[in-house]
Amino acid sequence: DGGITQSPKYLFRKEGQNVTLSCEQNLNHDAMYWYRQDPGQGLRLIYYSQIVNDFQKGDIAEGYSVSREKKESFPLTVTSAQKNPTAFYLCASSMQGQGSSQPQHFGDGTRLSIL
Amino acid sequence: GQQVMQIPQYQHVQEGEDFTTYCNSSTTLSNIQWYKQRPGGHPVFLIQLVKSGEVKKQKRLTFQFGEAKKNSSLHITATQTTDVGTYFCAGKLGGAQKLVFGQGTRLTINP
Repeated sequence: DGGITQSPKYLFRKEGQNVTLSCEQNLNHDAMYWYRQDPGQGLRLIYYSQIVNDFQKGDIAEGYSVSREKKESFPLTVTSAQKNPTAFYLCASSMQGQGSSQPQHFGDGTRLSIL
Repeated sequence: GQQVMQIPQYQHVQEGEDFTTYCNSSTTLSNIQWYKQRPGGHPVFLIQLVKSGEVKKQKRLTFQFGEAKKNSSLHITATQTTDVGTYFCAGKLGGAQKLVFGQGTRLTINP
């Protein structure tokens, strides 16, 4: 999706290292999300943010951290506490829905591997 | 945690055959969305269903939302090679602000 840019496309992490995945959107969306996708599995929610300077843990937040200092940006840090970080990470954004959900727009993803 | 179950996990068909994937939740869903992820790509939104018993069509794709709003299905008529990919349902449970994704159904097609 041209409106959401994730970088880098591929990332390698050494043992004990923290790494940060970038996610930028120019869709003027209030809500942003980070998902983890493992082979043959669905998307699992790591963190989400509905507004600047606020975010909530998803289902698998342990070993990850986020910040939302700007509306356009929602970086994800994979810390050394995440013992199995190898996965495909997807960032998404959506307009803020009042009742029904809004469609989520996804970036192209970052594939993280352990060295 | 609350889950949205999707079956089958894999489906291989001959081109021209029909395909159906099913999504089930133990909890009533506020709405359900369907996404398609092409191999090597990212999920792309297809449609959202909100009303009990709702049926929506997009060309050869038919989407249904159950009367109890606990299940949904996606049916593709006469598959084409361009239909290859993984189809995900994603449900909004009650008043929650987040979506819960099913595990996806990976569709492969023999031309």
